[in-house]
Amino acid sequence: DAKTTQPTSMDCAEGRAANLPCNHSTISGNEYVYWYRQIHSQGPQYIIHGLKNNETNEMASLIITEDRKSSTLILPHATLRDTAVYYCIVRTGYSTLTFGKGTMLLVSP
Amino acid sequence: EPEVTQTPSHQVTQMGQEVILRCVPISNHLYFYWYRQILGQKVEFLVSFYNNEISEKSEIFDDQFSVERPDGSNFTLKIRSTKLEDSAMYFCASSRPTQETQYFGPGTRLLVL
Repeated sequence: DAKTTQPTSMDCAEGRAANLPCNHSTISGNEYVYWYRQIHSQGPQYIIHGLKNNETNEMASLIITEDRKSSTLILPHATLRDTAVYYCIVRTGYSTLTFGKGTMLLVSP
Repeated sequence: EPEVTQTPSHQVTQMGQEVILRCVPISNHLYFYWYRQILGQKVEFLVSFYNNEISEKSEIFDDQFSVERPDGSNFTLKIRSTKLEDSAMYFCASSRPTQETQYFGPGTRLLVL
């Protein structure tokens, strides 16, 4: 699976959009971009995933660049409960999840 | 919304003892997984299970570990003779076909003394 690079930490003000970047320059054509988050040692929570097109669900939006070498997870209106470690994971359909260190997002009042 | 559940939430055991961690995957899911997370470290894959067989396992999943689906609902991880370094959070996950999203349970915190 392709390796990903994420910033170690980010800050966001409550109510503002949180934009979390991820680089995956070695991604292959059949690899998906998945985002999970982990709130204080709870089980990882699935957020969203995509292959080529931008995706949106009730939690977030995923913007994937046209060359697919990077992506951005957008939480449109961050709340204090969004404080968590966010993991960007690239995987083929048949591989297990390989977690990195992720980005620690701190949402402040 | 269906969820993966795990029991117990916490388990304390003596080194050398056997432990069984239990998971109830989401009901229509066919693929099951165990991951673990040592305190302060990354989430690590242990094993995946499909059709009553191990489909993939990591180097961590040695002979001390085993998995089983004893009935139609439970999925278990057994550690035969626990070591201090087995202390970690253990997460169960499940998915429909393996290419689909994995959903995680809340975890079992195992402490080996």
